[in-house]
Amino acid sequence: KAGVTQTPRYLIKTRGQQVTLSCSPISGHRSVSWYQQTPGQGLQFLFEYFSETQRNKGNFPGRFSGRQFSNSRSEMNVSTLELGDSALYLCASSLGHTTDTQYFGPGTRLTVL
Amino acid sequence: DQQVKQNSPSLSVQEGRISILNCDYTNSMFDYFLWYKKYPAEGPTFLISISSIKDKNEDGRFTVFLNKSAKHLSLHIVPSQPGDSAVYFCAASVSGANNLFFGTGTRLTVIP
Repeated sequence: KAGVTQTPRYLIKTRGQQVTLSCSPISGHRSVSWYQQTPGQGLQFLFEYFSETQRNKGNFPGRFSGRQFSNSRSEMNVSTLELGDSALYLCASSLGHTTDTQYFGPGTRLTVL
Repeated sequence: DQQVKQNSPSLSVQEGRISILNCDYTNSMFDYFLWYKKYPAEGPTFLISISSIKDKNEDGRFTVFLNKSAKHLSLHIVPSQPGDSAVYFCAASVSGANNLFFGTGTRLTVIP
């Protein structure tokens, strides 16, 4: 079975721009969660989507948003980029039950200049 | 407010010996715990998990112990191998929510 895939793997943007990251979950997985990893804050939960609905949300500003499509693929969008948004963005998928193991993709490395 | 803590940023162990990685948590509502291994430029790889109804779970060379009264869990790797060298994260969640709270990670180096 193919793992979680994320595109693009690397991205460079400038302040004020917006960016869209994509995640394809493991086949059959219906839940997709997004995490941000930075040296200062570690791994932090952004949000989770299940059956095209946001089921849970972390403590991030409204500039961070996401969506999920009917095939369970998910996108996250960050608008009005700030230097502090430079991070590794990780997507994880699971079957959807709340104690299912989450399997992570390789991440998208976003650099904001 | 860090609800999951890994107080040892690094650990070095000789090949063949036991590696013990520790994790503490503060939220008594956490009832599901996981360990992930991470290499640079890759996403975390799931290793092993434990539910709060258990105090031990084994999978091959990996064993996780949970002490609920102390709000402490540990990962034992026996025997340690050079390929185990990576950053290890513990994570916790609450039933009914699928968001994981991660520790800050412990870098394990296994010396051949």
